[in-house]
Amino acid sequence: QSALTQPPSASGSPGQSVTISCTGTSSDVGSYNYVSWYQLHPGKAPKLMIFGVSKRPSGVPDRFSGSKSDNTASLTVSGLQAEDEADYYCASYAGSKLLFGGGTKLTVL
Amino acid sequence: QVQLVQSGAEVKKPGASVNVSCKPSGYIFPGYYIHWVRQAPGQGLEWMGWINPDSGGIKYAQNFQGRVTMTRDTSISTFYMELRRLKSDDTAIYYCATDTWNEWHFDIWGRGTLVTVSS
Repeated sequence: QSALTQPPSASGSPGQSVTISCTGTSSDVGSYNYVSWYQLHPGKAPKLMIFGVSKRPSGVPDRFSGSKSDNTASLTVSGLQAEDEADYYCASYAGSKLLFGGGTKLTVL
Repeated sequence: QVQLVQSGAEVKKPGASVNVSCKPSGYIFPGYYIHWVRQAPGQGLEWMGWINPDSGGIKYAQNFQGRVTMTRDTSISTFYMELRRLKSDDTAIYYCATDTWNEWHFDIWGRGTLVTVSS
């Protein structure tokens, strides 16, 4: 059982937007702005998509955005594209340790 | 951009130990901690701990306390993660990753090392 809760699956058609939630507690997501999101494609290394709740690393399309409200962080993918189909994991600092969510499989219909 | 090059796949028997290495392909600032993360088949990511390349200081996740040791060899700029008393549910891909902002996110990842524990 993961410390952060994500929906196991999400889906959308090309061009649509989809939001993935990541629910923690006041000891992790709610207390720190060190929330990050990772994209995992099978057989490839994880890729950082969002850090510091809402910052995008260089090279990540601006279709990806992050936000946080209280103990829940969210990743929104706008203008869905086929290559966005992947597993997405959130992570949060929790005071000298890092917690991950259980992952969400995003399907582009 | 610097890459993290990991050692190859391993097959181990229950009760054995495994040592996975991770070597930056270029210069990485000594203050950028090296973290280890694993993913078991069909499971999510799990943070294992970090090592400070400069001081050798370490922090392990509670789940691995007593079974994991993270070290570095500064002479060859290589980092190691040893996991002992292996069990079948230690079968996983083990990643090293670095946090160049020191803000608990990982912007450079190794490609992973598959460790299979099987009798």
